[in-house]
Amino acid sequence: QKEVEQDPGPLSVPEGAIVSLNCTYSNSAFQYFMWYRQYSRKGPELLMYTYSSGNKEDGRFTAQVDKSSKYISLFIRDSQPSDSATYLCAMSGGNNRLAFGKGNQVVVIP
Amino acid sequence: NAGVMQNPRHLVRRRGQEARLRCSPMKGHSHVYWYRQLPEEGLKFMVYLQKENIIDESGMPKERFSAEFPKEGPSILRIQQVVRGDSAAYFCASSPSAGQGSTGELFFGEGSRLTVL
Repeated sequence: QKEVEQDPGPLSVPEGAIVSLNCTYSNSAFQYFMWYRQYSRKGPELLMYTYSSGNKEDGRFTAQVDKSSKYISLFIRDSQPSDSATYLCAMSGGNNRLAFGKGNQVVVIP
Repeated sequence: NAGVMQNPRHLVRRRGQEARLRCSPMKGHSHVYWYRQLPEEGLKFMVYLQKENIIDESGMPKERFSAEFPKEGPSILRIQQVVRGDSAAYFCASSPSAGQGSTGELFFGEGSRLTVL
């Protein structure tokens, strides 16, 4: 079983829709949970990070962590064509090493 | 303030040759991390360095791969005697202090894409 599972299937949504992404993990030691956005041929950029369980909101983005279920989510409200990118979940146990999911390619159709 | 600079952006090598990838961290950052992204795979941690020290190389293949971050100059990831399986995108990230390696508050470069023929 991989440490971090993220269904890599592409996701196409119409502009204005809510995008819902999620990851599961197996390592109970993970305490820090992140979402990155990666545009084609670019490096990842951090969108949000959360420590332990709970919700975090930043503008149109909401991250949720449920440690009891080992499940994290990212929601993008009022999606825009500029949100079209690959979204990567990542997590860490505090050892300066991040474990990444495979990423979800999101396409927002105008 | 320039971001993390990686070069070359693209590198083509034949099997058996050496590949050297360079990473200049953001100004004021003394912590550097290398990650590898294989086709159809997520980013995988390779090594974490501070100036003149390798802190964690648990993700580095045991042979042919080495990394350094000298007192002066960029961090270097060196792959000797490359094989086709080394073809990947290699990303460098930097941070001003150690904690960000865990919280993910890292600044990534645009990557170096290695193709081995």
